[in-house]
Amino acid sequence: DAGVTQSPTHLIKTRGQQVTLRCSPKSGHDTVSWYQQALGQGPQFIFQYYEEEERQRGNFPDRFSGHQFPNYSSELNVNALLLGDSALYLCASSLFRTARSYEQYFGPGTRLTVT
Amino acid sequence: SQELEQSPQSLIVQEGKNLTINCTSSKTLYGLYWYKQKYGEGLIFLMMLQKGGEEKSHEKITAKLDEKKQQSSLHITASQPSHAGIYLCGADRMNNDMRFGAGTRLTVKP
Repeated sequence: DAGVTQSPTHLIKTRGQQVTLRCSPKSGHDTVSWYQQALGQGPQFIFQYYEEEERQRGNFPDRFSGHQFPNYSSELNVNALLLGDSALYLCASSLFRTARSYEQYFGPGTRLTVT
Repeated sequence: SQELEQSPQSLIVQEGKNLTINCTSSKTLYGLYWYKQKYGEGLIFLMMLQKGGEEKSHEKITAKLDEKKQQSSLHITASQPSHAGIYLCGADRMNNDMRFGAGTRLTVKP
């Protein structure tokens, strides 16, 4: 049973460019949450997708957008990249009907470097 | 300031020694989670604590929750190099929206 997978593993982009990160949830999960983790910091919640809709959003600008597909996989898009967007982007999957966050399973992350 | 403060920020111990990591919340705790992260990798769930006074153990790791103090502690007994990594505490804000501390980086010297 595959866990949460993310692609690509690493990515280098230039300021002003756009990037798309991908996440496949754990089998049986229907909810995907995205987190940004800057170096030396804990993960910061970006947003959560369920039933192909954004359900919750953290304190991130509109440059950060996402999408969820019918197969529950998800994409995170970041436009007009800034140097400060350099971080590890983590995807977590869970079942929406559960309110117990520990049932979130995290992927290995995508390391984004903006130069 | 962060909603969850972890201390210490980093810790270096000799293999075999005991250690404690603390997590203090500025808001009422309803659920406190401990995760471990290898550098640059995803988070691995360790334990969840929900009730005041609750204590859970897994192998040589024990976590306690002091609801009144809004604190949790993670204690590792007889540390091993395999315990090295970043320990993160997290707290529920809403369904699946978790807030994290900045983490404690643990190094275990053989």
